[in-house]
Amino acid sequence: DAMVIQNPRYQVTQFGKPVTLSCSQTLNHNVMYWYQQKSSQAPKLLFHYYDKDFNNEADTPDNFQSRRPNTSFCFLDIRSPGLGDAAMYLCATSLGGRTDTQYFGPGTRLTVL
Amino acid sequence: DQQVKQNSPSLSVQEGRISILNCDYTNSMFDYFLWYKKYPAEGPTFLISISSIKDKNEDGRFTVFLNKSAKHLSLHIVPSQPGDSAVYFCAASSASGNTPLVFGKGTRLSVIA
Repeated sequence: DAMVIQNPRYQVTQFGKPVTLSCSQTLNHNVMYWYQQKSSQAPKLLFHYYDKDFNNEADTPDNFQSRRPNTSFCFLDIRSPGLGDAAMYLCATSLGGRTDTQYFGPGTRLTVL
Repeated sequence: DQQVKQNSPSLSVQEGRISILNCDYTNSMFDYFLWYKKYPAEGPTFLISISSIKDKNEDGRFTVFLNKSAKHLSLHIVPSQPGDSAVYFCAASSASGNTPLVFGKGTRLSVIA
C-alpha cells in the first residue's frame, strides 16, 4: 500500500541535543510538509518542499531545519531542542498544489528532557 | 489569530444518531475545505472535502455543508457509529491566494453505544 512513514514513532532527546526526524513516502507525491502539533492545538505548518523547492513559513523558528535529499525522503532537524519543542511532528504529502488533499504519516512524538 | 475555528472541543452522541461538527472561518479567500479524522497515535486521515463552488458534498454516511455567506461549514455523520469516535479537524485553504492548509483545533467526537 502507498503510504507515508515516519520514524521513529517516539523520540526522546535532551535539552539542547540535536535530533532528526525522518519521513518517507511511497506515493511519489511532489510536495512534502512538516507540521508541529501540540496537545489540543491545531497542526501548525513549519515548512514544505515542492520538489526541491523549500518553502519556510514566516514564523518557523530558525532552530528548525529540513532536508529533502530525494522525492521519497524528507527530514526535520531540530538543532537545539527546547522544552517548548516537545510536540507531535507530522509529515504529510500531496500531489501538487497547496490546495491538494494532504496525506499524513502517523507522526513522531518528541519528548525533550 | 485563528482563521479556522472549531468552537466545540468535544461532542458526545448516541450510536445511530446524527453527529454534527461545526467549523467557522474568517478568511474570505478560503475556497477549499477539508475534514480530517484522527485516531490516537495515528496521523490525520482525509475524510471529505468541498470546494466553494458547491454547498454540499456527500460521501456515504458523511456530508459536508458549506455556507459561504456565514463562513461556516459543518460535517454531518449519519448514522453515527462507535468507530467514528475520533478527533475531527476542519481545514481550509485558498488556491487563488496560494495559502497553505490552515487547521482548526479539532473536535473530539465520542459515539456512545
